[in-house]
Amino acid sequence: DIQMTQSPSSLSASVGDRVTITCRASQSINIYLNWYQQKPGKAPKLLIYAASSFQSGVPSRFSGSGSGTDFTLTISSLQPEDFATYYCQQSYSTPYTFGQGTKLEIK
Amino acid sequence: QVQLQESGPGLVKPSQTLSITCTVSGGSISNSEYYWSWIRQPPGKGLEWIGYIYYSGDTYYNPSLKSRVTISVDTSKNQFSLKLNSVTAADTAVYYCAKGFTSSPDWFDPWGQGTLVTVSS
Repeated sequence: DIQMTQSPSSLSASVGDRVTITCRASQSINIYLNWYQQKPGKAPKLLIYAASSFQSGVPSRFSGSGSGTDFTLTISSLQPEDFATYYCQQSYSTPYTFGQGTKLEIK
Repeated sequence: QVQLQESGPGLVKPSQTLSITCTVSGGSISNSEYYWSWIRQPPGKGLEWIGYIYYSGDTYYNPSLKSRVTISVDTSKNQFSLKLNSVTAADTAVYYCAKGFTSSPDWFDPWGQGTLVTVSS
């Protein structure tokens, strides 16, 4: 199985901050990397697919980059509604696997 | 706009079989561009992909659960289902269904709202 490791596991930040979350794969996954946002009691919501492509309706302050084994999700200016848990997921090979999550909290 | 909705019993006894159904609306489950997945999340923990099914009935299961999982599809009802047998407390989780794409790269979108299944006597 491909292991996905996110860092940090938790992060405190303020509204307006620029935030970067990192996801590392245990082997090369090309650009087969997706990012999801999950709020308490809700299902995950797709933000970014294929490493850097925006899902329709996702604010432009979210961006993704990377290829191979190292990927980042950046939020350029945090808004109150962005405080949530973020997961990366590889779709390079089955079994599909997720990172352990990064919980973004208000400072 | 495809939407998914899970349904099933909220409580299952240890050693019994967990059964959940996902109803697809707004699109056909027989669309060859899609596959249909189950994903679970234990309380307070991360996400685990369980497996997927195509409309044809072809399946792929996570090897970690393969011996206990069956995913089936009913195209006449636009539904697919998950059965997990010999459950224990470790199978307590929110179970989500989600749509994926048969092309590559692919991703899960949309997801159902999820259904909490508790394994307890």
